[in-house]
Amino acid sequence: NAGVMQNPRHLVRRRGQEARLRCSPMKGHSHVYWYRQLPEEGLKFMVYLQKENIIDESGMPKERFSAEFPKEGPSILRIQQVVRGDSAAYFCASSPSGGAGNTIYFGEGSWLTVV
Amino acid sequence: TQLLEQSPQFLSIQEGENLTVYCNSSSVFSSLQWYRQEPGEGPVLLVTVVTGGEVKKLKRLTFQFGDARKDSSLHITAAQPGDTGLYLCAGAPVRTRGSARQLTFGSGTQLTVLP
Repeated sequence: NAGVMQNPRHLVRRRGQEARLRCSPMKGHSHVYWYRQLPEEGLKFMVYLQKENIIDESGMPKERFSAEFPKEGPSILRIQQVVRGDSAAYFCASSPSGGAGNTIYFGEGSWLTVV
Repeated sequence: TQLLEQSPQFLSIQEGENLTVYCNSSSVFSSLQWYRQEPGEGPVLLVTVVTGGEVKKLKRLTFQFGDARKDSSLHITAAQPGDTGLYLCAGAPVRTRGSARQLTFGSGTQLTVLP
């Protein structure tokens, strides 16, 4: 998973605050994915983006969550008014355009703790 | 909704033993990936299998994709303590017009290899 950079690695927020998680894909990759891993659960797809476009956000909660992948800069996953249930590991992954077998490569994750 | 079931959920074995982990679904996948995840880290890609019946070997690990592309197995020969980790399978959907490439993850097999 070398190359996909996520920050911060750990983030603590109080209930009601905002959390911003950043992801820089591997060099040459134009497709970004966000997954969430809740304690004792598997990875769940949230959103799939290409530069300046949201391709599939079927896994995103309808409220408080948003994602973007601007023309310049990293992809951002934004969680507004966080609640305790948002505490989880958030993983970003990337793939090159037309990657064979849909292989994606993960970053090391951002661990959000809501207190 | 495509689901992937992994078994066993937990596996604890002695160093030197062999083991097999299974990943099953009623859905067809265009490809299937196996990842290993260690605590506090992101999933690391081990292999991608694409063709029904395909077998890939990675040192002591053997991966097989079912003929119908609905299931897969991971066999480890002569397990070592360094093999300890969470093994995840993930299936990529069959591409249809407009579909995105989100992966469906199994819930994982936690392997512990005791010295």
